[in-house]
Amino acid sequence: EVQLVESGGGLVQPGRSLRLSCAASGFTFDDYAMHWVRQAPGKGLEWVSGISWNSGSIDSADSVKGRFTISRDNAKNSLYLQMSSLRAEDTALYYCAKVAAAAGGPFDSWGQGTLVTVSS
Amino acid sequence: EIVLTQSPGTLSLSPGERATLSCRASQSVSSSYLAWYQQKPGQAPRLLIYGASSRATGIPDRFSGSGSGTDFTLTISRLEPEDFAVYYCHQYGSSPRTFGQGTKVEIK
Repeated sequence: EVQLVESGGGLVQPGRSLRLSCAASGFTFDDYAMHWVRQAPGKGLEWVSGISWNSGSIDSADSVKGRFTISRDNAKNSLYLQMSSLRAEDTALYYCAKVAAAAGGPFDSWGQGTLVTVSS
Repeated sequence: EIVLTQSPGTLSLSPGERATLSCRASQSVSSSYLAWYQQKPGQAPRLLIYGASSRATGIPDRFSGSGSGTDFTLTISRLEPEDFAVYYCHQYGSSPRTFGQGTKVEIK
């Protein structure tokens, strides 16, 4: 069974940094691209960033480009999101998501999310 | 960026009724790379449909997807009590990936 467990969220002041982690199990982690998707309280889903299986291809939403960095450690079956220069509008539940196929595709597995609150 | 617009915002129906949800894209979705997700309160989204019309593993056949190009539809043939939730469409054919704003299916 695929399991994705996010951690690292919390309350942080504007302008500060935070690092999210996602521990993956139940599948061959280094076969799949991985993504972060966020959901502000009471709002819809927003794609944040994605990384290919070998970290050779990385993409991010314009809203976080230059501030957030996605990375992965295949030896540790882990995905990361380094967030800096945090803003109030980054407040959201951050989900780690796995794509359905090695070549990409929709998100077929999601974690339960980790909550990031940016506030002074 | 492909903007996805879902309608209606809220659908009020009774169990047993048919639900029809629409997702319109601002430009053609590459190779029908369009998915639908269901999200219940306090839960992560669940993949229902991918490739516009293929059901994900374990999804009941009362859920069906159709469409191509810029117009897509999710149909729930007969609503069960557990189907009342928020539904999102998602295009994964071009970057950035985008989601619709969601349609809430509520009990009438």
